[in-house]
Amino acid sequence: EPEVTQTPSHQVTQMGQEVILRCVPISNHLYFYWYRQILGQKVEFLVSFYNNEISEKSEIFDDQFSVERPDGSNFTLKIRSTKLEDSAMYFCASRLGGGELFFGEGSRLTVL
Amino acid sequence: AQSVTQPDIHITVSEGASLELRCNYSYGATPYLFWYVQSPGQGLQLLLKYFSGDTLVQGIKGFEAEFKRSQSSFNLRKPSVHWSDAAEYFCAVGAGNNNDMRFGAGTRLTVKP
Repeated sequence: EPEVTQTPSHQVTQMGQEVILRCVPISNHLYFYWYRQILGQKVEFLVSFYNNEISEKSEIFDDQFSVERPDGSNFTLKIRSTKLEDSAMYFCASRLGGGELFFGEGSRLTVL
Repeated sequence: AQSVTQPDIHITVSEGASLELRCNYSYGATPYLFWYVQSPGQGLQLLLKYFSGDTLVQGIKGFEAEFKRSQSSFNLRKPSVHWSDAAEYFCAVGAGNNNDMRFGAGTRLTVKP
């Protein structure tokens, strides 16, 4: 069964460093998403991406964040200069059309 | 924009007892509704979804949910809870052209032996 894969599963970084989280969505899907879950809290929408551009973003998704689909298969989330409060689990998701989102297993980011 | 409320932060039930987790949504039109389950340290697994049609939907692991438009609710139920059902449960609503999904705060389920 096709699935969304995310790498790395866990990344530890120093505050101020750049981080790139990678996702490979299901191959024929058209819509891509990043969500964030701070430990013990709800899953929060960050950004949606369609047709090679951002379709919607939340207040969390400020200038420190960017997304890219560099090669037609990967979908990346970059945090330019990490802060302590960026520590969270980041989930990538994709969908084909009007159906449900399929989520990856998540990438845990720890900022020290 | 759509939003979701899960009024119960934590629920404890005995194994074998019935379960109902509450979910209320806010959206002007008919939304897409979902329930996801998350075990500790794991990702999100879809339990069931409602797009249209029959308002009582069946999901995996013996769960079901009923869409009630008049109450703006989509409560999750299971007639007999198993110890392995202990997890965090998230209700979510998808809406708009992008079907951007928004999650509730989650309900943590504890199952007593």
